Amino acid sequence: DTAVSQTPKYLVTQMGNDKSIKCEQNLGHDTMYWYKQDSKKFLKIMFSYNNKELIINETVPNRFSPKSPDKAHLNLHINSLELGDSAVYFCASSSQGSSGNTIYFGEGSWLTVV
Amino acid sequence: GQQVMQIPQYQHVQEGEDFTTYCNSSTTLSNIQWYKQRPGGHPVFLIQLVKSGEVKKQKRLTFQFGEAKKNSSLHITATQTTDVGTYFCAGYGSSGAGSYQLTFGKGTKLSVIP
Repeated sequence: DTAVSQTPKYLVTQMGNDKSIKCEQNLGHDTMYWYKQDSKKFLKIMFSYNNKELIINETVPNRFSPKSPDKAHLNLHINSLELGDSAVYFCASSSQGSSGNTIYFGEGSWLTVV
Repeated sequence: GQQVMQIPQYQHVQEGEDFTTYCNSSTTLSNIQWYKQRPGGHPVFLIQLVKSGEVKKQKRLTFQFGEAKKNSSLHITATQTTDVGTYFCAGYGSSGAGSYQLTFGKGTKLSVIP
């Protein structure tokens, strides 16, 4: 079974559309994340969320919103898509601990905005 | 805020040559983690270093954590084509006010020429 699964894997859509990417983890982790990886392969954290708080990277446009129906799911909703939103979006999860949190990534969702 | 710098950004080596990537943090870290992302894949956790001066080995990979817990390196001996990918370091440290965060370096993309 895949530990962190996200759908869809590929998404091609037009500018101005609204789209969602779903993510589920079966690791029992208490924290989930969304990362954006651009064409230069830089990994940028967008959100981290556990059952207590949502931490938003201040550089993320408010067109992006995470939605968590329960602790095993963190979906990413994007409004009014722009060309610059084209990237690979990785969902991830970890377990909080005093020794630090190892990140488990999903396989990524390749978003292309045309 | 915490910054993690990683060099080089790209490295091309002949198969059989050695490879090293370096990571430096602006602040003292609680631990440092290394991840590998194969082309078209997602980042996968390799190892975590916690103690000052710690050295760990995984077959041909050697990971070091500096005495001051602000820098780290990954060395690959006698590279093989299977080593191709982007290697990310990620430093876990205080972001202030009692909270901690994991900050990724920009990665080193390794190409191996057969």
